[in-house]
Amino acid sequence: DTGVSQDPRHKITKRGQNVTFRCDPISEHNRLYWYRQTLGQGPEFLTYFQNEAQLEKSRLLSDRFSAERPKGSFSTLEIQRTEQGDSAMYLCASSLGGLSGNTIYFGEGSWLTVV
Amino acid sequence: AQSVTQLDSQVPVFEEAPVELRCNYSSSVSVYLFWYVQYPNQGLQLLLKYLSGSTLVESINGFEAEFNKSQTSFHLRKPSVHISDTAEYFCAVSWVQGAQKLVFGQGTRLTINP
Repeated sequence: DTGVSQDPRHKITKRGQNVTFRCDPISEHNRLYWYRQTLGQGPEFLTYFQNEAQLEKSRLLSDRFSAERPKGSFSTLEIQRTEQGDSAMYLCASSLGGLSGNTIYFGEGSWLTVV
Repeated sequence: AQSVTQLDSQVPVFEEAPVELRCNYSSSVSVYLFWYVQYPNQGLQLLLKYLSGSTLVESINGFEAEFNKSQTSFHLRKPSVHISDTAEYFCAVSWVQGAQKLVFGQGTRLTINP
């Protein structure tokens, strides 16, 4: 059973550089989520997709952040002009949409360190 | 707006002792409730969830949680913990109606001492 996979698992970048994370959800899942988690905190919702449509974006998602899911399968999260405050773990998750109680499955996360 | 409060940021217990991790939520509408566990350097795994029906839900590894609507709580318990239960535990809610989106508490770090 292939779970949610994320790449890269770790990324160190210099302030001002752009970074991109990729997420491959569980194959039959039509919903895909991005969350951000900082040390000592719970995950915070960033955005989610239903197939290729981005249905909601959090106010946490500044205009330097962009997420895409072009064919309704994998997704990318790009951060432009990174800042030290962007250092966090970026979690991708997926679920079979339709019912709010459906289990949301998380990947192992992509750690970003901005130096 | 929904919010989740985990009252203890850290809980140290001895092996084979009972433990309770507390979770309270605030919402003006009906919610579903979840507990996720995060082992070091890993993503989150669903431990258990309450959707409807019996207010007591159990996981396969001995944890249980009870939904208490009047106290808006969903505390997690285990009668006897093991070293392998050392992890961060997150309580979360989502709306029954509308977007399937989890709102998490800040987490409780459970440390098991031998």
